[in-house]
Amino acid sequence: GAVVSQHPSRVICKSGTSVKIECRSLDFQATTMFWYRQFPKQSLMLMATSNEGSKATYEQGVEKDKFLINHASLTLSTLTVTSAHPEDSSFYICSATTVAKQTQYFGPGTRLLVL
Amino acid sequence: GENVEQHPSTLSVQEGDSAVIKCTYSDSASNYFPWYKQELGKGPQLIIDIRSNVGEKKDQRIAVTLNKTAKHFSLHITETQPEDSAVYFCAAGLGDMRFGAGTRLTVKP
Repeated sequence: GAVVSQHPSRVICKSGTSVKIECRSLDFQATTMFWYRQFPKQSLMLMATSNEGSKATYEQGVEKDKFLINHASLTLSTLTVTSAHPEDSSFYICSATTVAKQTQYFGPGTRLLVL
Repeated sequence: GENVEQHPSTLSVQEGDSAVIKCTYSDSASNYFPWYKQELGKGPQLIIDIRSNVGEKKDQRIAVTLNKTAKHFSLHITETQPEDSAVYFCAAGLGDMRFGAGTRLTVKP
């Protein structure tokens, strides 16, 4: 149980385009989903917290207009990187949790490369 | 907010030896302390967790200890195997988790 998927696993795009990453909880309902960014050999940096049906809460320094988060259902959250630039290239990981548990279950990650 | 420090940043052990990774946290309100293992190119996987009402928890070769007074917790891996090689992250929090910087464990055969 507690499986989280992400799609796509890898994406290469041109500078200036937008990229959407999906995060799904496959066997449980996720009241809260988190989006992280991870640079090579570094820790997980929380970008935002999204609760189903409400606006995401962004961490300080994360541009909400650039990283659009939608959590429309209890099993799906999406992160859209708008007008991507090479500095947005990174490993993006989502996690999901329920109101009953604090445990976060992570997806496999999405590697974004912006050319 | 919560601040988590993790040591060491790298750890190399011989197969069969034990490995210990230590974390400290700053917010005394934190009550949940998970440990994650991350292999190259993959998302973190929960390996063990402990809550503040427990001092120690064990699962086969893995154990975690928590000292709430000193605000530190540790991961212990016994009889290490090459497949234990990965990056390990500790985390602490109440709702939102804050992660340590990670420890790269290498188990030499």
